[in-house]
Amino acid sequence: AQSVTQLGSHVSVSEGALVLLRCNYSSSVPPYLFWYVQYPNQGLQLLLKYTSAATLVKGINGFEAEFKKSETSFHLTKPSAHMSDAAEYFCAVREAGTALIFGKGTTLSVSS
Amino acid sequence: NAGVTQTPKFQVLKTGQSMTLQCAQDMNHEYMSWYRQDPGMGLRLIHYSVGAGITDQGEVPNGYNVSRSTTEDFPLRLLSAAPSQTSVYFCASSYATGLGNTIYFGEGSWLTVV
Repeated sequence: AQSVTQLGSHVSVSEGALVLLRCNYSSSVPPYLFWYVQYPNQGLQLLLKYTSAATLVKGINGFEAEFKKSETSFHLTKPSAHMSDAAEYFCAVREAGTALIFGKGTTLSVSS
Repeated sequence: NAGVTQTPKFQVLKTGQSMTLQCAQDMNHEYMSWYRQDPGMGLRLIHYSVGAGITDQGEVPNGYNVSRSTTEDFPLRLLSAAPSQTSVYFCASSYATGLGNTIYFGEGSWLTVV
C-alpha cells in the first residue's frame, strides 16, 4: 500500500525566509502526489499536484514542489514566507481506487 | 459555485444517539468520500463511493454507514455515537477516472460526542 511521511509536525520560519516542508512517499508504481493547505476552521484547498507531466510543479500562492523519484520525495517550498502562509499543510498520494492517502500534516508558523 | 456542501457545520451528540452528516456536490462527480481529521493523525478515509449504488470501506469504517442513491448526495450515518467519534469530518468529491484529478473538499463538520 502507498503511504506518505511528512517530516516535522511543526515548522517555524520568519517572514521573508524560505519555507521548506518535507514529504516522502512510498509507492511501487508511479505516484500521483498532492499538497493541500488548511487554514484554521476551514476545509482543504489544493496547492499543487504532480501527475508525471513535469518534475517541478508550480502551485498557487507562490508555492512549488519538486518530484524526485530517486529520493521518493515531493518537498514543498516557497522562497519568501508571508504571514498569511501560516496554516497546516498536508501531503497526499493517490492510489488505485481513487482514494487519497494523507500524511499527518505539518503546521507552518510565520513570525514577523 | 456551490462545490461540495456539508451540513451541519457543528453538532453535539450524546453517546448512543444517531445522526446523519449530509454531503452534496453539484459538479457531477462520480467519486465521493468521507474523511475524519483528528489532531496529529492527518485525514483518514472512512468510506468512499465511485458511483451511485456503489460504496466501499476505507481505513476507519467501523461505526459509520453510507449509501449512494444519487450522484449528488453521499450521507454519512452514525448509528450509535461514541466519544471516539468526536472529530472533524470532511466530504470530498472528484471525477472517478484519472488519478491526477483534483479532489475537492467541503468545509467540514465539527462533531462532538459527549
